[in-house]
Amino acid sequence: AQRVTQPEKLLSVFKGAPVELKCNYSYSGSPELFWYVQYSRQRLQLLLRHISRESIKGFTADLNKGETSFHLKKPFAQEEDSAMYYCALSEQRNYGGSQGNLIFGKGTKLSVKP
Amino acid sequence: NAGVTQTPKFQVLKTGQSMTLQCAQDMNHEYMSWYRQDPGMGLRLIHYSVGAGITDQGEVPNGYNVSRSTTEDFPLRLLSAAPSQTSVYFCASSSDRVSRYNSPLHFGNGTRLTVT
Repeated sequence: AQRVTQPEKLLSVFKGAPVELKCNYSYSGSPELFWYVQYSRQRLQLLLRHISRESIKGFTADLNKGETSFHLKKPFAQEEDSAMYYCALSEQRNYGGSQGNLIFGKGTKLSVKP
Repeated sequence: NAGVTQTPKFQVLKTGQSMTLQCAQDMNHEYMSWYRQDPGMGLRLIHYSVGAGITDQGEVPNGYNVSRSTTEDFPLRLLSAAPSQTSVYFCASSSDRVSRYNSPLHFGNGTRLTVT
């Protein structure tokens, strides 16, 4: 069964320190992976997706199929990065095409201290 | 554009009461879904719809009903509320009915529901 695991509920770092939010997945096919972020009092929004290989707000994430991981990294954390981060995997079912429902991990709360 | 609008923002129910959480989007999105967010559990899919007249169950559908009579609206009904349904509910939509890659999910602001 498809599953997304975020092992850390809370990650606390100091401003300027590197940060890595871990995400591991279990999926039998070719995964589509995403990171969503929820800042305080804001709605959940897409941060980045693996297929784009982009860097958003200094964050990057590389899909490692061998380790089935999609860790989110930033070399120098900022206070405004404090938020709840969710790793998500797009589900595919063969109903004549993929359904694409997202399966979310349990989330990691990142706290960046001054 | 308002995007995805959820009402109400907060609601308190007594066990056994019924209510409908409203969700509307003005982006002409085909795909809509409902998630619940619980501490330590992340977001879990309740129901989803890939277009008007089409709905299907997600991971945790028990106790909830949905309908999709129009493209814009996707209400979530609790027929007989239970304390276990205390949660924050998020509605989300996407223009791509088959893959979230091409068009990611757009979320509403959420409805915080307490069942006593």
